Amino acid sequence: AQSVAQPEDQVNVAEGNPLTVKCTYSVSGNPYLFWYVQYPNRGLQFLLKYITGDNLVKGSYGFEAEFNKSQTSFHLKKPSALVSDSALYFCAVRDMGSNYQLIWGAGTKLIIKP
Amino acid sequence: NAGVTQTPKFRVLKTGQSMTLLCAQDMNHEYMYWYRQDPGMGLRLIHYSVGEGTTAKGEVPDGYNVSRLKKQNFLLGLESAAPSQTSVYFCASSTHRDGSGNTIYFGEGSWLTVV
Repeated sequence: AQSVAQPEDQVNVAEGNPLTVKCTYSVSGNPYLFWYVQYPNRGLQFLLKYITGDNLVKGSYGFEAEFNKSQTSFHLKKPSALVSDSALYFCAVRDMGSNYQLIWGAGTKLIIKP
Repeated sequence: NAGVTQTPKFRVLKTGQSMTLLCAQDMNHEYMYWYRQDPGMGLRLIHYSVGEGTTAKGEVPDGYNVSRLKKQNFLLGLESAAPSQTSVYFCASSTHRDGSGNTIYFGEGSWLTVV
């Protein structure tokens, strides 16, 4: 079965430190992978995606993600965290067997402390 | 830059009441979606539409109906609300199917409580 997991409900990082939000997936075939961010009381906003090509993908607000096929992971990273990065982050993967419907992770709450 | 607009933003319903959530997009997108978001469960697709006059079931369609009479509007109806339908509802739109690689644009959400 196709699935995506975000193993951490919450990640706490001090401002200025690097951050990582983890995502692992299980799909048949080649995955399309996405990261979205949700700020409080707002809708989700697109951050970045991996379709093909370079395993390191750069996105909005200084975020990047690395596609690792052998580990079936697509972790979100940022070299230096800002307090304004505090939000809920969702990983999603394309389900090859369901008319290309996206499967969403449960979300990881990122808290950046000053 | 309106993008995707949802109304109402907040609503409290009594069990058994009906209501309609309205979604409007001004980006001329073909595809529109209704998701529900529950704590610890991410987003689950309720219904979607691939164009004006079309609708299709998603992952959790029971208890909901939808209509897409105009390309820019996608309505979500609850005929007889139940407490299990207490959730945050998000409308979204895109130029292609949500998993094709194109960006999905979301509304700001509608908070529904059924008591």
